Amino acid sequence: QVQLVQSGAEVKKAGASVTVSCKASGYTFTNFYIHWVRRAPGQGPEWMGIIRPHSGRTQYVQKFQGRVTMTMDTSTSTVYMELRSLRSEDTAVYYCAREAPESYHFDYWGQGSLVTVSS
Amino acid sequence: QSALTQPASVSGSPGQSITISCTGTSSDVGADSHVSWYQQHPGKAPKLIIYEVSNRPSGVSNRFSGSKSGNTASLTISGLQTEDEADYYCTSYATSFTYVFGPGTKVTVL
Repeated sequence: QVQLVQSGAEVKKAGASVTVSCKASGYTFTNFYIHWVRRAPGQGPEWMGIIRPHSGRTQYVQKFQGRVTMTMDTSTSTVYMELRSLRSEDTAVYYCAREAPESYHFDYWGQGSLVTVSS
Repeated sequence: QSALTQPASVSGSPGQSITISCTGTSSDVGADSHVSWYQQHPGKAPKLIIYEVSNRPSGVSNRFSGSKSGNTASLTISGLQTEDEADYYCTSYATSFTYVFGPGTKVTVL
């Protein structure tokens, strides 16, 4: 069955970087896009960007440009999301989610990774 | 602040029907049919329940239905059951190649 398993919770200081991983299984990794979505406490979800594993192409929300990098390792079917220069507003649960190409919806989600940024 | 607007909470008794609205603009909800809905129970991953406005994935109860009129999409849960108590999020693909979400609606079964 399709699974997206994310890395565990992280506590970081302001200014540091964090990398969250998302390991896919149960399907052909390169046939689906992976998105990253975060939800800060008391707020709605926020889309961060996308990586297309068949090409490695990425696209990020302008708000995160310069601070976020999404990468992948096809040998382990794992996608990574690195967020740099962390600030307290980055405290959130980060999710990876799968999209069948050009389907415009997320059919499977990871369990979420809590990132807490302390000052 | 979310780009889409949803009511913070909706409640109903078992067996009743409830509807959750999701209002956007002509650049997102009103632009095309790329509206989807997700159910999330506490501590669990979100689950896709409606895609492309009104389509249900395999395995999702037909008690869940979706529709859209202009810039507002709606999710209706009929025959409300206790397991429907959860948070519900709408999302839409937007014309500037981005995805926008609603803040979520907490459904309570009385």
